[in-house]
Amino acid sequence: EDQVTQSPEALRLQEGESSSLNCSYTVSGLRGLFWYRQDPGKGPEFLFTLYSAGEEKEKERLKATLTKKESFLHITAPKPEDSATYLCAVHADSNYQLIWGAGTKLIIKP
Amino acid sequence: NAGVTQTPKFQVLKTGQSMTLQCAQDMNHNSMYWYRQDPGMGLRLIYYSASEGTTDKGEVPNGYNVSRLNKREFSLRLESAAPSQTSVYFCASNQQGASYEQYFGPGTRLTVT
Repeated sequence: EDQVTQSPEALRLQEGESSSLNCSYTVSGLRGLFWYRQDPGKGPEFLFTLYSAGEEKEKERLKATLTKKESFLHITAPKPEDSATYLCAVHADSNYQLIWGAGTKLIIKP
Repeated sequence: NAGVTQTPKFQVLKTGQSMTLQCAQDMNHNSMYWYRQDPGMGLRLIYYSASEGTTDKGEVPNGYNVSRLNKREFSLRLESAAPSQTSVYFCASNQQGASYEQYFGPGTRLTVT
């Protein structure tokens, strides 16, 4: 069964303290892995798409990487405005629909 | 350019009542989606419309119906609301299919008592 798991559920960091969020997946064949950011009371906002192992994408303080089993969202020197829930979703060969993880709630303290 | 809009933003229903959630997009996208989001769970697809004139069931379609009114608009109807349908509902759209990034509306928070 296709599955996506995100860890940790929540992460509290001090401003400037770098860390990583994990998205592990078990699918029959990967067509694409997506990262979204969701602010409280709003809809998810697209960040990145990764298609193959070894691929990396960056945007400001965020960098997403992909292996054959998992993806990491690295956040470097985060600021309070980076606080949000980060969602991972996978598009698999066997499924028209995206499979979504439950998200990681990131809190950056000033 | 408003992107994806949803109405209403909040709604409280009694068990057994019906309602329609409205969604519209102005990006000329072919595909549209309805999701529900519950605490501790990933987004779950209720119904989707790959293109104008077509609709298909997603992961959790029971208790819901949809209408793709035209290319811009995709509505979600609850015929007889149940407390289990208390959730936040998101509409999304994209160019075509799951390989493309999706653009989400602001959501509707629905409570069924």
